[in-house]
Amino acid sequence: DVKVTQSSRYLVKRTGEKVFLECVQDMDHENMFWYRQDPGLGLRLIYFSYDVKMKEKGDIPEGYSVSREKKERFSLILESASTNQTSMYLCASSLDFISYEQYFGPGTRLTVT
Amino acid sequence: DAKTTQPTSMDCAEGRAANLPCNHSTISGNEYVYWYRQIHSQGPQYIIHGLKNNETNEMASLIITEDRKSSTLILPHATLRDTAVYYCIVRGGSQGNLIFGKGTKLSVKP
Repeated sequence: DVKVTQSSRYLVKRTGEKVFLECVQDMDHENMFWYRQDPGLGLRLIYFSYDVKMKEKGDIPEGYSVSREKKERFSLILESASTNQTSMYLCASSLDFISYEQYFGPGTRLTVT
Repeated sequence: DAKTTQPTSMDCAEGRAANLPCNHSTISGNEYVYWYRQIHSQGPQYIIHGLKNNETNEMASLIITEDRKSSTLILPHATLRDTAVYYCIVRGGSQGNLIFGKGTKLSVKP
């Protein structure tokens, strides 16, 4: 089974802090994604990556950056956390660029105070 | 991308089949139908997908009408652990991301 793990299930940070969310997948998938999920807004794509060191902006990249130095690891960075970034963050991976068979991690619920 | 319409909520008795409908009347020829579910406080889980033939795996069956304008996800013997929000997604092309609508909240009752 594909396993996608995220570094924390719950995280509380202060406004202005730099926040790192880590995601690791163990199935040698090419693509990795970061989404955020908010009530009433569904899942929204922040960034995705289709190869090591490659990244593409999703629908809501402002305030975020990403890093993919190794194939199995995709990091989401909040350079200066703000209260409107309080959300559930979900990482996913898929085998290749055209596959919509995505495997999600358990999510990180981030609260910025 | 084609839009999907699903009922807001459904109930099912434990042990019975759960049949979740989805309308996608504007689906185009190269778009697949994907089903995911999300159990409370967990990440979404891929269930099954299909293009035009019926599909079955260890989790569920997917029935797509001949005109491809609608589909039904079937959980053959629903259990309490199948209580979740079920999302029907139509997707094609190569952008790679998924667009989740509001889905159907399935409640399996003892």
